[in-house]
Amino acid sequence: DIQMTQSPSSMSVSLGDTVTITCRASQDVGISVNWFQQKPGMSPRRLIYRATNLADGVPSRFSGSRSGSDYSFTISSLESEDVADYHCLQFDEYPLTFGSGTKLEIK
Amino acid sequence: EVLLQQSGADLGKPGTSVKLSCKVSGYNIRNNFIHWVIQRPGKGLEWIGAIDPANGNILYTEKFRGKATLTADTSSNTVYMQLSQLKSDDTTIYFCATYFFDQWGQGVMVSVSS
Repeated sequence: DIQMTQSPSSMSVSLGDTVTITCRASQDVGISVNWFQQKPGMSPRRLIYRATNLADGVPSRFSGSRSGSDYSFTISSLESEDVADYHCLQFDEYPLTFGSGTKLEIK
Repeated sequence: EVLLQQSGADLGKPGTSVKLSCKVSGYNIRNNFIHWVIQRPGKGLEWIGAIDPANGNILYTEKFRGKATLTADTSSNTVYMQLSQLKSDDTTIYFCATYFFDQWGQGVMVSVSS
């Protein structure tokens, strides 16, 4: 199975900060990576699809990038509503696998 | 608008089964796979499997093969997941989601208790 190693597991950040979360794939998954936001008690929401594409209705402060087998998710100028858990997913090969998640908290 | 409406919270005794439903509106489930995902308390997401209602093709992650059984009813545009041989470890939240993970159900809590 493909492993998605996500880091960090948690971050304490300030409003207005730029936040970057990374997932490293254990083998080539191309651009088959999505990023999700999940707020407490809610279902995940897809923010980024195919590594770099912003989903409909998602603010432009969210972005995704890829460098080899490293996939990054960035929030520029963090807002209070961005406090949530974030997850990556590879869908290049079955079984699909998620990263272990990153919890964002405000300092 | 695509909506995935999951059945309400379910309670099962150890060793029994529960059957969860995911009714889809605004989208024909014959179009593509529907996924099921588990999220244990305070943990990340884990893919259980997916079903293609158009042809009955089913994919499972090895860990859930034999634990989860996916079915679909195209006449009601609903997919189901039966969880068998329930254990306390199965107590958690289960989600359904569309093929591209762009729409998710609200999640359903399954509790296993004697």
